[in-house]
Amino acid sequence: QKEVEQNSGPLSVPEGAIASLNCTYSDRGSQSFFWYRQYSGKSPELIMFIYSNGDKEDGRFTAQLNKASQYVSLLIRDSQPSDSATYLCAAEMNRDDKIIFGKGTRLHILP
Amino acid sequence: EPEVTQTPSHQVTQMGQEVILRCVPISNHLYFYWYRQILGQKVEFLVSFYNNEISEKSEIFDDQFSVERPDGSNFTLKIRSTKLEDSAMYFCASSYFDLALKETQYFGPGTRLLVL
Repeated sequence: QKEVEQNSGPLSVPEGAIASLNCTYSDRGSQSFFWYRQYSGKSPELIMFIYSNGDKEDGRFTAQLNKASQYVSLLIRDSQPSDSATYLCAAEMNRDDKIIFGKGTRLHILP
Repeated sequence: EPEVTQTPSHQVTQMGQEVILRCVPISNHLYFYWYRQILGQKVEFLVSFYNNEISEKSEIFDDQFSVERPDGSNFTLKIRSTKLEDSAMYFCASSYFDLALKETQYFGPGTRLLVL
């Protein structure tokens, strides 16, 4: 059974600070990893994807992947109240394969 | 910016009735998916579709479910005889593949299905 595990939170972070979200996955064959943001009652919105070990930066967001440890993380710098949402970590094994989602981490940015 | 659209946004039905959820994927995408999310739970894969056939389906996607791409733009999910536990938000997603972006799935806004 392929699993993606996340701490459900809530994670409370002061505005302007760095929010750090973590995720582990069970299937060592997973190749692509995604972070989606989901506001309450809305659909998942892709924030970042990563498939190579190391860091990938896009604006205030940095995704980190460590395949040896089966660990993915998302850093959000200069956190804003609008970043308050549930962040879904997801893993995909092959092209056109299904995405396995974690349960999500609720992030709350404190003004 | 192109986006995945879904209709209806909300659907209420009686148990045992058939429902059809509709999706219009992004026009140049080739891979299509249905996911569902029961309230308060995680997003779950139902089925993937490519080249006019099912690529993969989950254990949730039993004989009560079917998918179809009836024309060049729509992608539908049919539930033949709805059960109470089918109440959920249903998301359609589509993707393409290129060497730079690999395969990235974009989600529609969802259809909230309530079975009474």
